[in-house]
Amino acid sequence: QSALTQPASVSGSPGQSITISCTGTSSDVGSYNLVSWYQQHPGKAPKLMIYEVSKRPSGVSNRFSGSKSGNTASLTISGLQAEDEADYYCWSYAGSSTYWVFGGGTKLTVL
Amino acid sequence: EVQLVESGGGLVKPGGSLRLSCVAYGFTFSSYTMNWVRQAPGKGLEWVASISDKSSYIYYADSLKGRFTISRDNAKNSLYLQMNSLRAEDTAVYYCARGLRWPDYWGQGTLVTVSS
Repeated sequence: QSALTQPASVSGSPGQSITISCTGTSSDVGSYNLVSWYQQHPGKAPKLMIYEVSKRPSGVSNRFSGSKSGNTASLTISGLQAEDEADYYCWSYAGSSTYWVFGGGTKLTVL
Repeated sequence: EVQLVESGGGLVKPGGSLRLSCVAYGFTFSSYTMNWVRQAPGKGLEWVASISDKSSYIYYADSLKGRFTISRDNAKNSLYLQMNSLRAEDTAVYYCARGLRWPDYWGQGTLVTVSS
């Protein structure tokens, strides 16, 4: 069982927006602005999409955005495109004994 | 161009040992914390261990402590993971990744299969 809870799957049609949630606790997501999001296509390495809750690395489309409220972080993808179909994982700092935790992952299907 | 290239994976029997390596290219390796992250077949990502730039700080996932050892050689731009007492549940692709708070570059991974 992963430390952070994500929905197993989400789906949307091209052009629509979707949001993936990442629910933790007051010991991880709720306490630190160190939530990141990763995109992983089948057979490929993860790619950083969002860091520090809402910042985008250079080269990542502005269709990707992140936010946090309480113990839940969210990744929103607007203007869905076929290439967005992938697995998405959240990652958070969890304090000085557990250190780092991932969410269980969410499979995004573009219909 | 930043590149991370893992090697050392393969088939090992339960109880055996394996040493993974990751060679870094295109950045000042000695300035970055490095990580190992693994992914069992069909499963999610799992953080394994991190080591600071000068090896002053080393962190492990609780479930792995005592069996795995992370280390680095900055002169060789290399990261290592020594894995002992391997179990079937350690079967996974092992990735090395750069950076502490948000690993930003990842290698393509090396597959470790633990099976008799």
